[in-house]
Amino acid sequence: DAGITQSPRHKVTETGTPVTLRCHQTENHRYMYWYRQDPGHGLRLIHYSYGVKDTDKGEVSDGYSVSRSKTEDFLLTLESATSSQTSVYFCAISEEDRGGKLFFGSGTQLSVL
Amino acid sequence: DAKTTQPPSMDCAEGRAANLPCNHSTISGNEYVYWYRQIHSQGPQYIIHGLKNNETNEMASLIITEDRKSSTLILPHATLRDTAVYYCIVGAVNNNDMRFGAGTRLTVKP
Repeated sequence: DAGITQSPRHKVTETGTPVTLRCHQTENHRYMYWYRQDPGHGLRLIHYSYGVKDTDKGEVSDGYSVSRSKTEDFLLTLESATSSQTSVYFCAISEEDRGGKLFFGSGTQLSVL
Repeated sequence: DAKTTQPPSMDCAEGRAANLPCNHSTISGNEYVYWYRQIHSQGPQYIIHGLKNNETNEMASLIITEDRKSSTLILPHATLRDTAVYYCIVGAVNNNDMRFGAGTRLTVKP
């Protein structure tokens, strides 16, 4: 299995609080992604990174920011969490020029009350 | 807006071949067909991908029609552990926004 670790695995928070999810990889892959998965919507891309300090928006980026200061870490931040951001969040990585061959982490279950 | 169409669910008997179809009639010449599966609440797992030739690996075989408008993922001897949602996705190799649709929920029955 690809070396991807997501933390925390589960988090419960209150509306309006900031939340940061971490994705850590040991594969030295250039590309990293954050997806969310909701019933009826499948997996949707939030943000992705194509290198240190290089990020871009995905399909559902509103309300989220990301940072990548090191190759191995990709952080997803909810500046002010809302109930609509209750979801399962998956991090994924891919090698350069292998954009479609993704390796996923185990996910973070986030509940915003 | 996924570019693929898959049946929502399928059943398969344990030990038999599972054949999962996917339609991708608008696929472009530089787009590959990728298959993933997601077991219960785990992260999706890459299975196989191909451009136009049939492909086989230790997990499955991928059959792509000559016109590339459809494909079939074959699990040769399905086991109970193959019960999962299977996603068919098309995208270019440098596509950073792979769109996952609803997939096919495969249930392998004893």
